[in-house]
Amino acid sequence: NAGVTQTPKFRVLKTGQSMTLLCAQDMNHEYMYWYRQDPGMGLRLIHYSVGEGTTAKGEVPDGYNVSRLKKQNFLLGLESAAPSQTSVYFCASSSDRPYGYTFGSGTRLTVV
Amino acid sequence: AQSVTQLDSQVPVFEEAPVELRCNYSSSVSVYLFWYVQYPNQGLQLLLKYLSGSTLVKGINGFEAEFNKSQTSFHLRKPSVHISDTAEYFCAVSDAKTSYDKVIFGPGTSLSVIP
Repeated sequence: NAGVTQTPKFRVLKTGQSMTLLCAQDMNHEYMYWYRQDPGMGLRLIHYSVGEGTTAKGEVPDGYNVSRLKKQNFLLGLESAAPSQTSVYFCASSSDRPYGYTFGSGTRLTVV
Repeated sequence: AQSVTQLDSQVPVFEEAPVELRCNYSSSVSVYLFWYVQYPNQGLQLLLKYLSGSTLVKGINGFEAEFNKSQTSFHLRKPSVHISDTAEYFCAVSDAKTSYDKVIFGPGTSLSVIP
């Protein structure tokens, strides 16, 4: 089925470890986004991309890096994980606006 | 910059009763408005959106929302709720002038439908 796929779905990291979250979409969408969801705070934008090879900072970019080497993939990296990065991470993509987002099913990350 | 306020963090309602979930936004520019729904352990789905024109917008699953520019509100309503409507609902806003959707979300309202 067409859509947005996130891997992994769950992950537990130790403080200081690094990891990469992968987002892949097969809808040929131009725009891709990474959000984190925390209780009572809704979704907050971490980074986004308006096209292959481009990235930009969102509301809460500190501690994260991203890359968009291919149009269909958007990677989110944590170089040195901290407990404050425990969250559910959602990737989304969109086409010519304003059609709204298509979301992935999320990655639940716990940093201990 | 835009921001979104959802006045109720939790809304319990009996099955077949009407419901209204409140949303207010703040923006210095013209905006697009959205409501998304998140069922347990799932991603978010677009429920409806306001772009321009008629202030009453109809969405999926019998939901509708009304845009009120003077009150900067975009409240979500359903005349008769179902058990299956139990979910988290997010109001969201984006700048209508940019070429892409950079959406700002509210904190969410948890709707619980009681049998």
